[in-house]
Amino acid sequence: GAVVSQHPSWVICKSGTSVKIECRSLDFQATTMFWYRQFPKQSLMLMATSNEGSKATYEQGVEKDKFLINHASLTLSTLTVTSAHPEDSSFYICSAEIVGGGETQYFGPGTRLLVL
Amino acid sequence: KQEVTQIPAALSVPEGENLVLNCSFTDSAIYNLQWFRQDPGKGLTSLLLIQSSQREQTSGRLNASLDKSSGRSTLYIAASQPGDSATYLCAVFIGYSGGGADGLTFGKGTHLIIQP
Repeated sequence: GAVVSQHPSWVICKSGTSVKIECRSLDFQATTMFWYRQFPKQSLMLMATSNEGSKATYEQGVEKDKFLINHASLTLSTLTVTSAHPEDSSFYICSAEIVGGGETQYFGPGTRLLVL
Repeated sequence: KQEVTQIPAALSVPEGENLVLNCSFTDSAIYNLQWFRQDPGKGLTSLLLIQSSQREQTSGRLNASLDKSSGRSTLYIAASQPGDSATYLCAVFIGYSGGGADGLTFGKGTHLIIQP
């Protein structure tokens, strides 16, 4: 149980295009989902917290207009990287917290983004 | 702001050895601490979760301890095997403050190689 999926797992795009990454909780409902990114040889850094039905809360330094987050249902959150640039190339991982399940986060497998 | 440090950054040992990975955090007011394993290019696998009220958790050959007052945790791996080779990440959760994103704060990880 408590499986989180991400789609796509790997994406290559041209600079200036937008990329949407989906995070789904497959067998549970998640009121809260988190988005992290990891640059090569760096730790995971929290980007934002996504709450179902409300606006996402972003960490300092993360541009909310560039990284659009939508949490439209209890099982789906999306991260859209708008007008992607090579410096946005990174590994993006989401996690989800079970409704009423305490503070345990379940992580997706990650999405590797390469912007050319 | 919470900071998590992991020592050593890299470790290479022969198969069969027992080893200890260290994690320290600057703010002792944590809700829980978690150890993860990350294989190259992959997502995260949760290994052990220690609540702030607990001193240690064990799973198979893994044992994690927590000393919240001193801001330290260790991950002990007994009888290491080549399959244990991975990056091990420590992360702390401070709970919900009611404002701002409250995801996990990760260390940079310890890159572990177990030589056959």
